[in-house]
Amino acid sequence: AQKVTQAQTEISVVEKEDVTLDCVYETRDTTYYLFWYKQPPSGELVFLIRRNSFDEQNEISGRYSWNFQKSTSSFNFTITASQVVDSAVYFCALSEALSNTGKLIFGQGTTLQVKP
Amino acid sequence: DAMVIQNPRYQVTQFGKPVTLSCSQTLNHNVMYWYQQKSSQAPKLLFHYYDKDFNNEADTPDNFQSRRPNTSFCFLDIRSPGLGDAAMYLCATSSSVSSYNEQFFGPGTRLTVL
Repeated sequence: AQKVTQAQTEISVVEKEDVTLDCVYETRDTTYYLFWYKQPPSGELVFLIRRNSFDEQNEISGRYSWNFQKSTSSFNFTITASQVVDSAVYFCALSEALSNTGKLIFGQGTTLQVKP
Repeated sequence: DAMVIQNPRYQVTQFGKPVTLSCSQTLNHNVMYWYQQKSSQAPKLLFHYYDKDFNNEADTPDNFQSRRPNTSFCFLDIRSPGLGDAAMYLCATSSSVSSYNEQFFGPGTRLTVL
């Protein structure tokens, strides 16, 4: 069965600290995509990154980086030098090619609080 | 700016009183999704439209219906809201049903049931 687990419910850091958000997924599909979305207090989910199951290259975008490891079914997200504006709920999500619907299966989310 | 708009942002209804939530998009996307997000939980897909084709998730209660009169608009109807239906309802769009495509979300409508 497909499932996404974000074991960290809440994380609190002080500004400028690095923080890693964990994501573990389960799927039987061989072709799938993994996403990270940010949900600020305003409510809308904002797309951050997409990774396909055949591309295990890590990615860096500014202060954000992502580590995809198929061997451990993990897709972790690191924020370097965190800022107060990074405070939000972060969701990891899975989309399976076989579903043919684009359906996103979300993890429970990790609430990140960055204190000044 | 192209966007996904949801109205109203906050909706209060009474137990059993039908309510309609609205979503519109200027992205001209073929696919529109409705997700339910209960407090401190993950968003859960209720159904989606691919053009005019309606696709219900197997575990979506019959109490929830949807209409898509044109490409731009999609409505979520809750026929007889119960206390358990209090949640944030998120509308999202995508250019196709491919699992590759990112979804663009609206700000959500927070529904309170009294």
